[in-house]
Amino acid sequence: EVVLTQSPGTLSLSPGERATLSCRASQSVSSRSLAWYQQKPGQAPRLLIYGASSRATGIPDRFSGSGSGTDFTLTISRLEPEDFAVYYCQQYGSSPPVSFGQGTKLEIK
Amino acid sequence: EVQLVESGGGLVQPGGSLRLSCVASGFTFSNYAMSWVRQAAGRGLEWVSAISGSGGSTYYADSVKGRFNISRDNSKNTLYLQMNSLRAEDTAVYYCAKGTPLYGPFDPWGQGTLVTVSS
Repeated sequence: EVVLTQSPGTLSLSPGERATLSCRASQSVSSRSLAWYQQKPGQAPRLLIYGASSRATGIPDRFSGSGSGTDFTLTISRLEPEDFAVYYCQQYGSSPPVSFGQGTKLEIK
Repeated sequence: EVQLVESGGGLVQPGGSLRLSCVASGFTFSNYAMSWVRQAAGRGLEWVSAISGSGGSTYYADSVKGRFNISRDNSKNTLYLQMNSLRAEDTAVYYCAKGTPLYGPFDPWGQGTLVTVSS
């Protein structure tokens, strides 16, 4: 099973700044099999990025994903107030198991 | 609009059983794998179980294998999770999630149902 490690655990930034979140896999992961989710308090997770770099329907273009192999990145180019939330990366494939990272909390500085 | 609505959560004693349901709408249910994911309070996401579109293939996390059973009724557009021999560590919000179209990524997720295992 692939173990995903996200860093940092908490990121404190101000609106308008750029956010860079990292997800490192314990073994090489296909770029087609890496997703990012956003979760706000009391809400279900929402898919942001799939296939490492493709934005899900309705996701603003300030969100972008990149990476390959064992290192993946979610970048938010200019933070809006509604972007402060917890972000999870996920590894998936043609069959389970499915792995999630432990999450990065993006908080207002 | 694709929608997933879970139900069946509640308070149960250790060793007890509970069955969760997830009613789907807005898509051809039988064409998509479905999963259950749980989240303990203040913790991260943990994948629990998944089932293929036909129901012929099922998968479980090691933490629930032998205790939980996933199933689906495609005629009712409904996903189930039968949870037996419940433990305190099973306490969490349980989400159902639609595969796209297989076992990830998940889009969308239901709103979740809370399961509390306590005496």
